[in-house]
Amino acid sequence: AQSVAQPEDQVNVAEGNPLTVKCTYSVSGNPYLFWYVQYPNRGLQFLLKYITGDNLVKGSYGFEAEFNKSQTSFHLKKPSALVSDSALYFCAGATGRRALTFGSGTRLQVQP
Amino acid sequence: DTEVTQTPKHLVMGMTNKKSLKCEQHMGHRAMYWYKQKAKKPPELMFVYSYEKLSINESVPSRFSPECPNSSLLNLHLHALQPEDSALYLCASRLTSGVSNTDTQYFGPGTRLTVL
Repeated sequence: AQSVAQPEDQVNVAEGNPLTVKCTYSVSGNPYLFWYVQYPNRGLQFLLKYITGDNLVKGSYGFEAEFNKSQTSFHLKKPSALVSDSALYFCAGATGRRALTFGSGTRLQVQP
Repeated sequence: DTEVTQTPKHLVMGMTNKKSLKCEQHMGHRAMYWYKQKAKKPPELMFVYSYEKLSINESVPSRFSPECPNSSLLNLHLHALQPEDSALYLCASRLTSGVSNTDTQYFGPGTRLTVL
């Protein structure tokens, strides 16, 4: 089965510290992976995606993600967290069904 | 411009009402989606339209009826809903709908539906 997993329900980090939100995948063929962010009562905003090429993908709002084929991971990172980064983050994969398969989501809390 | 719009933002309806949700995009995208999202959960796929034709129905109850009148517009008609249908309904679009497609899916802000 093709799937995307987010092992942490919540991540807490102090403002100014680096943050990492974890994602692992299990897909056959080439993995196409995405990160989205959702603020309360809002839709999902696209942050970045990995298709092919460089393993380090840069996205919106200073976020980046590192694709690691050997560890089947696609972790989201930011060098310096902001309080305004506090939100719900979803990793997703294009699993060949014309639609995205989402991870369970990780709530990021950035403390001042 | 990567905007998908949805109306209304909020909707409260009784179990006997008939209402519709509307989604619009003017990006020339040919694939459009309806998702249902419960609080703190990931979106669940309901329907996929590809080139204005229904291509995926995730065994959604018939009280939800999608419609794609043209390539820019997607509706979701609601009738005889249950309280457990209360959720955030998200529309999304993508340039094309190929199986191995890498196009980004863009989401609207959602309609918060409450069924009394």
